[in-house]
Amino acid sequence: EIVMTQSPVTLSVSPGERATLSCRASQSVSGNLAWYHQKPGQTPRLLIYGASTRATGAPARFSGSGSGTEFTLTISSLQSEDFGVYYCQHYDYWPLTFGGGTKVEIK
Amino acid sequence: EVHLVQSGAEVKKPGESLNISCKASGFTFTDSWIAWVRQMPGKGLEWMGIIYPSDSNTKYSPSFEGQVTISVDKSISTAYLQWSSLKASDTAMYYCATAFISRCYFHSWGQGTPVTVSS
Repeated sequence: EIVMTQSPVTLSVSPGERATLSCRASQSVSGNLAWYHQKPGQTPRLLIYGASTRATGAPARFSGSGSGTEFTLTISSLQSEDFGVYYCQHYDYWPLTFGGGTKVEIK
Repeated sequence: EVHLVQSGAEVKKPGESLNISCKASGFTFTDSWIAWVRQMPGKGLEWMGIIYPSDSNTKYSPSFEGQVTISVDKSISTAYLQWSSLKASDTAMYYCATAFISRCYFHSWGQGTPVTVSS
């Protein structure tokens, strides 16, 4: 089973600042990596798939990069609605696994 | 538009059985994967398993294999998550989600079914 490790666990960012979230896989997942955003009390929402392709409706301030074992989600200019928890998930092969999440707090 | 509508909240006792559902619309049910994801209170997302409705091909996470059963009824475009004997540790929110046949990231999610298991 591939273990997905996200860092940091918590990130405090002021509105308008850049946020960088990391996701590491215990072995290569090629580019088969997705990112999700979950606000408190809400359903997760797909942001990025294929490591770098924005999902329909995802704002342009979100970008993904990486391949193999190291991935990054960047929020170029944090907005107040961006708070919540971000999860990465690999879909290279079974079993699929999620990372533990990074909580983004508005400073 | 893709819609996944899950059954309502459940309150059960330990040892009871449970079956929750996820009704799909707006896409070809038999051409997509349907997954179940657990979220325990205050915790992260855990992939439980996935089923391909066309042939009921099912994959489970090792953590959930033997603990739950995933099934579908193609005739009504509905997927199910079943327990034969609930434990208090099954208390969680359960989401269904759908993925394309060739790329298992989850582009649409159900609203979630909260399950509480308490004596």
